[in-house]
Amino acid sequence: DAGVIQSPRHEVTEMGQEVTLRCKPISGHNSLFWYRQTMMRGLELLIYFNNNVPIDDSGMPEDRFSAKMPNASFSTLKIQPSEPRDSAVYFCASSFPLAGGPGRGETQYFGPGTRLLVL
Amino acid sequence: DQQVKQNSPSLSVQEGRISILNCDYTNSMFDYFLWYKKYPAEGPTFLISISSIKDKNEDGRFTVFLNKSAKHLSLHIVPSQPGDSAVYFCAFSGNTGKLIFGQGTTLQVKP
Repeated sequence: DAGVIQSPRHEVTEMGQEVTLRCKPISGHNSLFWYRQTMMRGLELLIYFNNNVPIDDSGMPEDRFSAKMPNASFSTLKIQPSEPRDSAVYFCASSFPLAGGPGRGETQYFGPGTRLLVL
Repeated sequence: DQQVKQNSPSLSVQEGRISILNCDYTNSMFDYFLWYKKYPAEGPTFLISISSIKDKNEDGRFTVFLNKSAKHLSLHIVPSQPGDSAVYFCAFSGNTGKLIFGQGTTLQVKP
C-alpha cells in the first residue's frame, strides 16, 4: 500500500496567490482529515470528511480556506488568497472506522505533509 | 481552550534507560487515548493506544498508562533506543472520530 499521498511536498508562493494542496487517502479508508502544524499552535485539525461529506470544519481558520472531497480517492485544500501567516506544514490523514462508527480508537494514517511558505 | 497539555517540550534520556512522556487533559468525555511519533519531514505515525476502560496497554518496549481520575496519560519506553528519538504527540478522541493533539515532546535518546 502506498499510504496517504500528498502533493506538492513543498510550496513557496507569494502573498495573495492561490494555493491548492492535494491528498489521496489510503484506498478503502472513508474518513479524511486535514491538519495544520505550526510552532505556535501545534497540530490542529482543520476539517474532517466522512464518506466524502464534510463533517466538521470548525477548525478552518477563515473563509480564505476551503476544502473539497469530490470522490473517495481525492481531496483538496485551497487557500485563496494566501497570507504569510498561512505558512505551515499541512498534513492529510485517512482512517477506516472500527465497528461501532467513528471515534472508536481507529488509527489515522498521515501523509508526509506539504510544507507551505508564503512570502 | 487547551484541552490537552504536554508540559515538557523536550526530554533527553540515555540509551537503555526508561523514557517517560506525559500528557494531561481536561475533557472527561474522551474515550480513546493515543500516542503518535513523528520524525522530521514525515507525517506522524501511530504508536500505541488505550481505551478509557483500561488503565494500561503494553506493546513491546512501549507501555501506555491512563489515570482517569487524574486525567493523566503517560508513555513509557524501556529500554530507550537512539531510533526512538522523535517528537511524540499524545492524542485524544471522543465519539466523533476527531483527534485532538498535544503540543508534542521532543525525545532525544543519547547513545
